[in-house]
Amino acid sequence: GENVEQHPSTLSVQEGDSAVIKCTYSDSASNYFPWYKQELGKRPQLIIDIRSNVGEKKDQRIAVTLNKTAKHFSLHITETQPEDSAVYFCAASERNTPLVFGKGTRLSVIA
Amino acid sequence: NAGVTQTPKFQVLKTGQSMTLQCAQDMNHEYMSWYRQDPGMGLRLIHYSVGAGITDQGEVPNGYNVSRSTTEDFPLRLLSAAPSQTSVYFCASSSRGLTGELFFGEGSRLTVL
Repeated sequence: GENVEQHPSTLSVQEGDSAVIKCTYSDSASNYFPWYKQELGKRPQLIIDIRSNVGEKKDQRIAVTLNKTAKHFSLHITETQPEDSAVYFCAASERNTPLVFGKGTRLSVIA
Repeated sequence: NAGVTQTPKFQVLKTGQSMTLQCAQDMNHEYMSWYRQDPGMGLRLIHYSVGAGITDQGEVPNGYNVSRSTTEDFPLRLLSAAPSQTSVYFCASSSRGLTGELFFGEGSRLTVL
């Protein structure tokens, strides 16, 4: 089955700097790659996703890139703000299997 | 719409007791699932359902049962609770099946003594 590795497990950045979180996956058939954000004590919420026919997708300060050959995808957050502090989860799935999540990255944005 | 509603939010059990975590959604989503979240372990899939009458096992199904008699409800049953089942449980649903946005409930924190 699918296996998703996520790095780093913790990340601290200064406000205004960029943050990058990387994930690798094992199943070459996977074609859906979402990212979820979970604030402290809250439920996970989708922030951006990408499908395998696209290499990059942006939404304001966040972007996701996908390299299918290398089987990895990354989340990029620019101009970080204190409200970006949260745990971020990547996930992967192919059409007929449920999402498999990475173990999460705790991002701290220091003002 | 209320979205995905989970009850109870908190529960303390003794080893060997049974209980049911309730999950209901009012978005007419066919796909529903249960995850558990443990520190450093991410979200691990327990059971899922692609429609009424259909359930399947996820990554960590042992010790848990589910049923899906209606589109709206997907209860998770712990038949004989163990301390290893101490966790935060999330129910989630999606309108696009296995590869669509998951809408999570608020979570249920379970402690087994």
